Amino acid sequence: QVQLVQSGAQVKKPGASVRISCRTSGYTFTSYEIGWVRQAPGQGLEWIGWISGYNGNTRYAQKVQGRVTLTTDTSTTTAYMDLRSLRSDDTAVYYCARGTTVTRGYYYMDVWGRGTTVTVSS
Amino acid sequence: DIVMTQSPRSLPVTPGEPASITCRSSQSLLHSNGYNYLDWYLQKPGQSPQLLIYLGSNRASGVPDRFSGSGSGTDFTLKISKVEAEDVGVYYCMQALQPQLTFGPGTKVDIK
Repeated sequence: QVQLVQSGAQVKKPGASVRISCRTSGYTFTSYEIGWVRQAPGQGLEWIGWISGYNGNTRYAQKVQGRVTLTTDTSTTTAYMDLRSLRSDDTAVYYCARGTTVTRGYYYMDVWGRGTTVTVSS
Repeated sequence: DIVMTQSPRSLPVTPGEPASITCRSSQSLLHSNGYNYLDWYLQKPGQSPQLLIYLGSNRASGVPDRFSGSGSGTDFTLKISKVEAEDVGVYYCMQALQPQLTFGPGTKVDIK
């Protein structure tokens, strides 16, 4: 079955960087996008970005643009999210999700990872 | 960015009764291809979000038919025909028309 397995929780100091991995299985990696969404404690969902499993094209939320980089490794069907210059308001659960298209330019997130908790604290 | 709003923000429900959530967008989500780029997600307590409805009215795979989505343009509705105890959680609408995807603030559904 389709699975997205995320790396474990991390604690970082302000100004540091964090990398989260999202290892996928059970589907053709290059035929789908990977989306990233985060959720601050007690808050709603916030989209971070998309990356194409096919060609690595990316699209980022303006709020994190310049601090976030999404990448993929097609040999291991794994997606990565790097977030730099961490601030306390980056404390959140970060989710990866498979993006499926049914019409050009549109993707829905149909399978989600369990989330990775990132805590930014001095 | 397109701003999404939801009402109510909290919805106590009785099992077996219907329930309805409204989502409004600050701009029309109707694409030139005729689809409304509006999705609904449910986040059950302690779980990851799950897709319920895509493109306004299409149930995702495995979603019970008691869930339905409707609406067009800027006004959308998620209906549960007969609420079950397992339907508790926070429901989010999300627009996918603009490159900057945005979620609504969420509607918390719990049992009365």
